[in-house]
Amino acid sequence: QKEVEQDPGPLSVPEGAIVSLNCTYSNSAFQYFMWYRQYSRKGPELLMYTYSSGNKEDGRFTAQVDKSSKYISLFIRDSQPSDSATYLCAMDAGNQFYFGTGTSLTVIP
Amino acid sequence: DTAVSQTPKYLVTQMGNDKSIKCEQNLGHDTMYWYKQDSKKFLKIMFSYNNKELIINETVPNRFSPKSPDKAHLNLHINSLELGDSAVYFCASSRDSFYEQYFGPGTRLTVT
Repeated sequence: QKEVEQDPGPLSVPEGAIVSLNCTYSNSAFQYFMWYRQYSRKGPELLMYTYSSGNKEDGRFTAQVDKSSKYISLFIRDSQPSDSATYLCAMDAGNQFYFGTGTSLTVIP
Repeated sequence: DTAVSQTPKYLVTQMGNDKSIKCEQNLGHDTMYWYKQDSKKFLKIMFSYNNKELIINETVPNRFSPKSPDKAHLNLHINSLELGDSAVYFCASSRDSFYEQYFGPGTRLTVT
């Protein structure tokens, strides 16, 4: 079993839709949970990170962590064509650091 | 101002050759990383250096050797290149934690 599982998609939504991206994990030692966005042929860029369980909001983006279910989510409200990218979750437990495989998102104007 | 830069951006070479990829960061970060991203977009950490000392060394062939001349630079040298080494290699840096990393633009390596 992989440390981090993420549905690769692709996911295609109309502009303005609410997008939900998810990851599950198996290692209960993970404490930090990150979401990165990667545009085509670019490096990943950090969107936001959350420590332990709970929600964190930044503009149109909300990150949610449920440690009891080993499940994290990223919600994008009022999605825009510029949100079209691959979204990677990542998790950290001290010196153990893993990325999900990424979900490809296309927002159609 | 480029935060994390890599050279070259593209590298095409033949099997058996030795090549290096250079990485520099101007963020004043203490920790630098090398990642490999395969054709399925899976991003896997290879090495991590903190203040010029190796702190993560995942299971990678010993043909891959990182070199850190100072804390702003982390180069990756690859000996005896194989077809399976073809991938995009990303350098990243962070201040004092794994969870806030800044990535370079990547080096697309093609081994023929």
